Amino acid sequence: AQSVTQLGSHVSVSEGALVLLRCNYSSSVPPYLFWYVQYPNQGLQLLLKYTTGATLVKGINGFEAEFKKSETSFHLTKPSAHMSDAAEYFCAVRNSGYSTLTFGKGTMLLVSP
Amino acid sequence: ETGVTQTPRHLVMGMTNKKSLKCEQHLGHNAMYWYKQSAKKPLELMFVYNFKEQTENNSVPSRFSPECPNSSHLFLHLHTLQPEDSALYLCASSQVGTGAGNTIYFGEGSWLTVV
Repeated sequence: AQSVTQLGSHVSVSEGALVLLRCNYSSSVPPYLFWYVQYPNQGLQLLLKYTTGATLVKGINGFEAEFKKSETSFHLTKPSAHMSDAAEYFCAVRNSGYSTLTFGKGTMLLVSP
Repeated sequence: ETGVTQTPRHLVMGMTNKKSLKCEQHLGHNAMYWYKQSAKKPLELMFVYNFKEQTENNSVPSRFSPECPNSSHLFLHLHTLQPEDSALYLCASSQVGTGAGNTIYFGEGSWLTVV
């Protein structure tokens, strides 16, 4: 069965600081991994995804994530946080039936001036 | 902007009312989903439709009744709900199949308050 663990329900950074949001997964099939972002009062928006190939994946808004099979991790990073990055971030892994995803509990990113 | 449109965005209903949430996807996908998002809980998958056929029902109470008349439209019919059903209901779609990538695209959600 698939599962996703996001360490830290809240992460606080200062504007301009490095953002690191952690995601570990378990999967019984070759993993497809996703990061979504949810701004207040909105739905989930795809940030980036890993399917096959290059393990460093670049997404929108300057975010990137690296797939590390040996560590079963897919951590999300951004070199310099902006105030507009404040949102909730969800990591997800595809399920064995291939048509659905299992989501983590989410990490709220707080950015202070 | 979004390829998945949900209406209404906000709904307040009494416990004896009957209402429906509507979802339309403009992405040409073959699968549609309903998710429930409650405060302090993970996203809960409720229903999945592949090619208009329901393929998953994650033990959802019968007071929630989905309908998928075609691959572009999905409804969630609501009746005799409870206050604990108050949540954000998210519709989503994806292209399922070989090489499809499984990316799920979400609508903006319908905020439901049961009073």
